Amino acid sequence: GQQLNQSPQSMFIQEGEDVSMNCTSSSIFNTWLWYKQDPGEGPVLLIALYKAGELTSNGRLTAQFGITRKDSFLNISASIPSDVGIYFCAWENYGGSQGNLIFGKGTKLSVKP
Amino acid sequence: NAGVTQTPKFRVLKTGQSMTLLCAQDMNHEYMYWYRQDPGMGLRLIHYSVGEGTTAKGEVPDGYNVSRLKKQNFLLGLESAAPSQTSVYFCASSYPTSGRSEQYFGPGTRLTVT
Repeated sequence: GQQLNQSPQSMFIQEGEDVSMNCTSSSIFNTWLWYKQDPGEGPVLLIALYKAGELTSNGRLTAQFGITRKDSFLNISASIPSDVGIYFCAWENYGGSQGNLIFGKGTKLSVKP
Repeated sequence: NAGVTQTPKFRVLKTGQSMTLLCAQDMNHEYMYWYRQDPGMGLRLIHYSVGEGTTAKGEVPDGYNVSRLKKQNFLLGLESAAPSQTSVYFCASSYPTSGRSEQYFGPGTRLTVT
């Protein structure tokens, strides 16, 4: 079956540092999505990627859809305390109905001021 | 637009009790979803709907039922709650006929079953 690995599971960084996290899959996909979940809230979409090789930025966030279509990374530059939360990657499950997403288990980010 | 809203925000049930969680969206989205989130497990799909009057099973459907009588609402029911259903429940909606897969989430319902 389809496997999605998200790493690292958690990160503890100093304010101002850059952050990098990634997701890899055993299958090829056409969509990668990155979400952030603040404590006690629902996930919020950060970046959506639809083409292999696509590089997209959203403020201090940058995400890329790997050329092999099996991976994606998310970078956060110059982290600030409000970056704290859980970051999820997700991709569309073509084995099921269109529009269904499979989520990674998340990367929990902690930022020390 | 309010986006996706969920009612209630918190609930405590005794084993065997029943309840219904309500999800509403005002974005005219075709698809709606119910997920549960447990520590270390990420988000797992319970049931989903691709349009008014339709529902389908997701990854973990046992013990839950759903209904989509109106396009803007998606109800999740627990007929006989069990402690294993203690979790945070999220509703989401999307508009995949636009060619995009993005889902938009509600704020969640925290359910405890004792």
